[in-house]
Amino acid sequence: DGGITQSPKYLFRKEGQNVTLSCEQNLNHDAMYWYRQDPGQGLRLIYYSQIVNDFQKGDIAEGYSVSREKKESFPLTVTSAQKNPTAFYLCASSTGQSNTEAFFGQGTRLTVV
Amino acid sequence: DAKTTQPPSMDCAEGRAANLPCNHSTISGNEYVYWYRQIHSQGPQYIIHGLKNNETNEMASLIITEDRKSSTLILPHATLRDTAVYYCIVRDRLRAAGNKLTFGGGTRVLVKP
Repeated sequence: DGGITQSPKYLFRKEGQNVTLSCEQNLNHDAMYWYRQDPGQGLRLIYYSQIVNDFQKGDIAEGYSVSREKKESFPLTVTSAQKNPTAFYLCASSTGQSNTEAFFGQGTRLTVV
Repeated sequence: DAKTTQPPSMDCAEGRAANLPCNHSTISGNEYVYWYRQIHSQGPQYIIHGLKNNETNEMASLIITEDRKSSTLILPHATLRDTAVYYCIVRDRLRAAGNKLTFGGGTRVLVKP
């Protein structure tokens, strides 16, 4: 089935460790996005990528890094520089055409202890 | 992208129509209006989008005012499963692929029996 997959669903890490969240899509979409969501809040854009080997900072990029080496994959690394990493992380993809919708993964809930 | 304003919450009776307003007074002629919803702890789900004309699909109807400064999402017969946060966003149709897809706080809709 076509779709966008995030793994794992739950992730626990110790403070000070970098952690990488996976996002894979088999929809042949050019554009991919990473969002952060805190309890009771809306989605905030971390990074987005329009095409392979290219990405742009969103509104809250500090403490995060991404790569886009393959069209189907857009991993997000939460670095030790991110002061409040515990959150719900959502990945999305779209064709990049503005008249088509974005598809979201089911999210990864990261808890840093 | 134009910002959107939505009421933070609203209640709706099961079986009745739910009318969700969205203000986008600074929208440009190039921007689509999109609606998504997010059921608790899941990824957002696309509902509907439109540019100028009213739109209807199997999930909902979208009514856009003639001046395009506001819109209303209509869930014709709300069910308990429609309880979710509903996001209204605008998206520029002339931008290159992967334009920023920015979400606000949304409207938390509670459907009551």
